[in-house]
Amino acid sequence: GAVVSQHPSRVICKSGTSVKIECRSLDFQATTMFWYRQFPKKSLMLMATSNEGSKATYEQGVEKDKFLINHASLTLSTLTVTSAHPEDSSFYICSARVAGGAYNEQFFGPGTRLTVL
Amino acid sequence: SQQGEEDPQALSIQEGENATMNCSYKTSINNLQWYRQNSGRGLVHLILIRSNEREKHSGRLRVTLDTSKKSSSLLITASRAADTASYFCATDDTGFQKLVFGTGTRLLVSP
Repeated sequence: GAVVSQHPSRVICKSGTSVKIECRSLDFQATTMFWYRQFPKKSLMLMATSNEGSKATYEQGVEKDKFLINHASLTLSTLTVTSAHPEDSSFYICSARVAGGAYNEQFFGPGTRLTVL
Repeated sequence: SQQGEEDPQALSIQEGENATMNCSYKTSINNLQWYRQNSGRGLVHLILIRSNEREKHSGRLRVTLDTSKKSSSLLITASRAADTASYFCATDDTGFQKLVFGTGTRLLVSP
């Protein structure tokens, strides 16, 4: 099956620093990738939709200057949390949709746990 | 919020018993999908049911869909301790091409 990786799996950083999270589709091309945020024991909340070669589409209430998304190739999207603060601590999950797929099946990465001190 | 709701929020059963989770949603959909998430991990796709389907089976999983009631159910038969996880429904809204996740059900299967 399609595999999506995320790196790093866990990161701890100091308040004020920026953190970059990578999402890669390993064995398929993904024209669209999605970034989700998940709080403990809560559901996934879509942050933004990332399309290869174009600007990301952010969900209402998500600060685009805070969460920078770059989808530079068909297999890589990055999320940069800029000037991170403790309230940004969360579990971030990406997913990738198969290009040309018949339906909106998304393959999810294993997630990145961000802790901001 | 367009987020769907699932019930129960938490379910605790013994191995061998069946587990049923329900999902309600708010909009018209192309399909509805069920995912599983082990603690602190990513999501695993379990099953997809299209809006014109009423029931679907996959191994020990049975999914039903009632578009008139905007609801779906996931039944896991003969549960195992390894089924312990959180289960989420996700709807693929018509025209939006993005998934909207339900609130999730935490399932605990005791040996």
